[in-house]
Amino acid sequence: ELKVEQNPLFLSMQEGKNYTIYCNYSTTSDRLYWYRQDPGKSLESLFVLLSNGAVKQEGRLMASLDTKARLSTLHITAAVHDLSATYFCAVIQGAQKLVFGQGTRLTINP
Amino acid sequence: DAGVIQSPRHEVTEMGQEVTLRCKPISGHNSLFWYRQTMMRGLELLIYFNNNVPIDDSGMPEDRFSAKMPNASFSTLKIQPSEPRDSAVYFCASKAGRRNTGELFFGEGSRLTVL
Repeated sequence: ELKVEQNPLFLSMQEGKNYTIYCNYSTTSDRLYWYRQDPGKSLESLFVLLSNGAVKQEGRLMASLDTKARLSTLHITAAVHDLSATYFCAVIQGAQKLVFGQGTRLTINP
Repeated sequence: DAGVIQSPRHEVTEMGQEVTLRCKPISGHNSLFWYRQTMMRGLELLIYFNNNVPIDDSGMPEDRFSAKMPNASFSTLKIQPSEPRDSAVYFCASKAGRRNTGELFFGEGSRLTVL
């Protein structure tokens, strides 16, 4: 059974700093997704990574995928308070099931 | 596009009562998913449909839970009888056909509290 693990689960950082969230998964997959969730809100799609070596960037966030290592990273550059949220990675199991990691709660302090 | 629409947004009920959650997927999407989110267990897939047909309901906790999709624009998740441990946020999500990226689009969720 596919397991998706994120690290760290909680992250408190200062504005202006850089950090990386890691997402490991246990079985072969070539599709990985990153979502953002604000408190009490829905999940918003951030990135769709569809192949080994894929890299996507949006503003201060950059995601990458290494299917051989079964690892994806979400890198935050020069963090700002607006990026405070919970970030989830999710991996396709079989044809359609999306299995989510535990989420990383990110708090960015002024 | 209106996005995935769920109702009710909040439901407070007493143990033993029947609860029905509703979902309207994005028009043109042919797959629909029901997830449950709790602090303890995170996001769990309960069931998903392709072209209105249930494909995998292995995540449905027990017989008290049932889901239907009578047509392409409507799905329900029913809990009967409800129990306090069912308290959670229930999300509905939809996605386009297989040749798409597989990205799920989520509704705003239905927050259920069972007293």
